[in-house]
Amino acid sequence: EAQVTQNPRYLITVTGKKLTVTCSQNMNHEYMSWYRQDPGLGLRQIYYSMNVEVTDKGDVPEGYKVSRKEKRNFPLILESPSPNQTSLYFCASSLWGAGRSQYFGPGTRLLVL
Amino acid sequence: SQQGEEDPQALSIQEGENATMNCSYKTSINNLQWYRQNSGRGLVHLILIRSNEREKHSGRLRVTLDTSKKSSSLLITASRAADTASYFCATEASGGGADGLTFGKGTHLIIQP
Repeated sequence: EAQVTQNPRYLITVTGKKLTVTCSQNMNHEYMSWYRQDPGLGLRQIYYSMNVEVTDKGDVPEGYKVSRKEKRNFPLILESPSPNQTSLYFCASSLWGAGRSQYFGPGTRLLVL
Repeated sequence: SQQGEEDPQALSIQEGENATMNCSYKTSINNLQWYRQNSGRGLVHLILIRSNEREKHSGRLRVTLDTSKKSSSLLITASRAADTASYFCATEASGGGADGLTFGKGTHLIIQP
């Protein structure tokens, strides 16, 4: 089954404790992206990747890191989480090129205390 | 940056009625897409309309695009309780754009049984 998986689905952590949210897709998509969703703000892009070893900042990259060492995986790293990073995070993937629709993961709900 | 703006922010109708949501955007686009999100879950792609298309149908969905007004509408006919969800428009900018899609803040649709 074609899918995007994220882990963990729920996470409660404390300020400053490094964490990683994993994202994996099995559709051989070149393009992957991370979004955060906050009430009243919709989805905002954090980082995206056009292919292995190619990543770039989205609209709200501060406080986040990503890596793309393999085509299927695109982890999101919070080196020193802060309470303002409490949010619902989504990973998405798609083929590269115009007219592509994105496939979304189920989301990771993060609470930073 | 936020590109699409959906209107209304929330809509409540009776089962069987038609639901119409609107989206406005600011810059030239390659295509516009609509996604559905059930509460707290990942977004699911519904339909894509290209900039040279004016109307598109998929089952009970009808999408229109007016590039001169930079606006789109999503019509769901004969609504069902299962259509209760948030609906987002997303635009892909002209020129492709490596940063992918830009999402609006969504319309929350409630179908009353």
